Amino acid sequence: SQQGEEDPQALSIQEGENATMNCSYKTSINNLQWYRQNSGRGLVHLILIRSNEREKHSGRLRVTLDTSKKSSSLLITASRAADTASYFCAADSWGKFQFGAGTQVVVTP
Amino acid sequence: KAGVTQTPRYLIKTRGQQVTLSCSPISGHRSVSWYQQTPGQGLQFLFEYFSETQRNKGNFPGRFSGRQFSNSRSEMNVSTLELGDSALYLCASSMSGTSGTDTQYFGPGTRLTVL
Repeated sequence: SQQGEEDPQALSIQEGENATMNCSYKTSINNLQWYRQNSGRGLVHLILIRSNEREKHSGRLRVTLDTSKKSSSLLITASRAADTASYFCAADSWGKFQFGAGTQVVVTP
Repeated sequence: KAGVTQTPRYLIKTRGQQVTLSCSPISGHRSVSWYQQTPGQGLQFLFEYFSETQRNKGNFPGRFSGRQFSNSRSEMNVSTLELGDSALYLCASSMSGTSGTDTQYFGPGTRLTVL
């Protein structure tokens, strides 16, 4: 079974709006990472948050991590059509990664 | 730096055959992980190799195997192919996989279709 589970499964928004997706995991981790995948291609690393961090920013991305609830969220602000993709969280347990099912985001102009 | 490369990109096989997929990691990366991605099961971890040794393993049958060479290049093999093995197989490399801040860099994947 997958360690990371994501919510929602799909999200449709308009350009300029914010997109928020959540991820839950089950065991201890040393970090949690978010990836983007465009249409059946390889995954692209977006951001990494360590287990002792609570929030991290990178450009239009904001990630939070709550280790007590074993959950994380990814916020994409001011979305663009180019943000259309599937987004996955990956719980890193010292080199063993467990990916969530992903959130499919569609941004319409 | 060149990214992670995977060959072949597309493969069509029939049930019962075996297949070998190849992955060349980013130069300097010593950890290589393999994943299977299907619409129904999502991304599932197959195994991870570091310094020619399998360090982590997912919950896949013994038909799935892999190896890593001294130059960190890795291969995975699937024997006695089944229809359910049709998937996108992704390879990812990282520096060491255990630093706590390692980023995995993914290749474009090999799309395997089993007929």
